[in-house]
Amino acid sequence: QKEVEQDPGPLSVPEGAIVSLNCTYSNSAFQYFMWYRQYSRKGPELLMYTYSSGNKEDGRFTAQVDKSSKYISLFIRDSQPSDSATYLCASGGGNNRLAFGKGNQVVVIP
Amino acid sequence: KAGVTQTPRYLIKTRGQQVTLSCSPISGHRSVSWYQQTPGQGLQFLFEYFSETQRNKGNFPGRFSGRQFSNSRSEMNVSTLELGDSALYLCASTSGGRNTEAFFGQGTRLTVV
Repeated sequence: QKEVEQDPGPLSVPEGAIVSLNCTYSNSAFQYFMWYRQYSRKGPELLMYTYSSGNKEDGRFTAQVDKSSKYISLFIRDSQPSDSATYLCASGGGNNRLAFGKGNQVVVIP
Repeated sequence: KAGVTQTPRYLIKTRGQQVTLSCSPISGHRSVSWYQQTPGQGLQFLFEYFSETQRNKGNFPGRFSGRQFSNSRSEMNVSTLELGDSALYLCASTSGGRNTEAFFGQGTRLTVV
């Protein structure tokens, strides 16, 4: 079992819709969580960093962590065509070694 | 503030050859981690260097090695290249503390033929 599971299925949404992405993790030692956005042929770009359970909001992006169920989510409000990318969740446990999900390819249709 | 710089961006090598990739972290950052990204396996941790010492290592064969210099720049070396080593190699920069944000470079795309 991978430490971080992310259903890699592609997701297509119309412009303006809410995008909802989810991951689960199995390692109880994981303490911090990140979401990255990766455009084709580019490196991952850090979107959100969270350390505790609860919600963290940054503009149109909201990251949600539930440590009791080992569940992490990313919501993108008012999605734009420029949000079309692959989104990766990552978890870490204090040794700077990140475990990543497989990524979700999101397409926002104008 | 400059970001993470990886060179070269693209490489084509032949099976059996060796390759060296370079990473310059964000100014002031002391930790550099390397990851391999493939379509089948996603992003996998190779190793982390902090203050010129390998601090953490993933589950890759000994053909994969690295080092870090006193200015925090890091190099990764892969010897005796195999076709399966074709991947995007990414370098991540952190301040060096625990549980801190990791910032990635654009990666080096290695193709082994």
